[in-house]
Amino acid sequence: AQSVTQLGSHVSVSEGALVLLRCNYSSSVPPYLFWYVQYPNQGLQLLLKYTSAATLVKGINGFEAEFKKSETSFHLTKPSAHMSDAAEYFCAVTRSDSSYKLIFGSGTRLLVRP
Amino acid sequence: ETGVTQTPRHLVMGMTNKKSLKCEQHLGHNAMYWYKQSAKKPLELMFVYSLEERVENNSVPSRFSPECPNSSHLFLHLHTLQPEDSALYLCASSQDYGYEQYFGPGTRLTVT
Repeated sequence: AQSVTQLGSHVSVSEGALVLLRCNYSSSVPPYLFWYVQYPNQGLQLLLKYTSAATLVKGINGFEAEFKKSETSFHLTKPSAHMSDAAEYFCAVTRSDSSYKLIFGSGTRLLVRP
Repeated sequence: ETGVTQTPRHLVMGMTNKKSLKCEQHLGHNAMYWYKQSAKKPLELMFVYSLEERVENNSVPSRFSPECPNSSHLFLHLHTLQPEDSALYLCASSQDYGYEQYFGPGTRLTVT
């Protein structure tokens, strides 16, 4: 069965600092992986996705994530945090071999200090 | 309209009321989903429809009743809700069941 673990329910960074949000997955078959962002009082917006092409995936708003099979990780990074990045971030996994539901992590709230 | 829309955006209802949440997707997708998002809890998948057939019902109480009349519309009918049902209800759609999902803005439901 698939599962997703997001380490750290809250991450706080200074504006301009590196953002690193951690996601580890478990999957019995090659996974598809996603990062979503949720701003206050809004739905979830797809940031980026990994579907077995390049292991380094670039998304919107300057975010990127690297799929590391040996570490079963898909961490989200951004070189320089902006105040507007403050939001909740969700990692999600699904199977690549057949239609299957998305499994979401519990989310990480990113706080950006001025 | 583009993407996934939900109405109403906010709803306050008493425990004896009946109301419905509406979701519409303008993406030509075949699958639609209802999620419940409560404070300090992970996203809970409630229902999944694929090609207008319910493919998943995650042990949701019968006071929540979904309806999918066509691949563009999804409803969630509510009756005799409890205060613990207060949450953000999110609708999503995907090209097919299991692909990346696109979410609506949600309906903030408060049960008094």
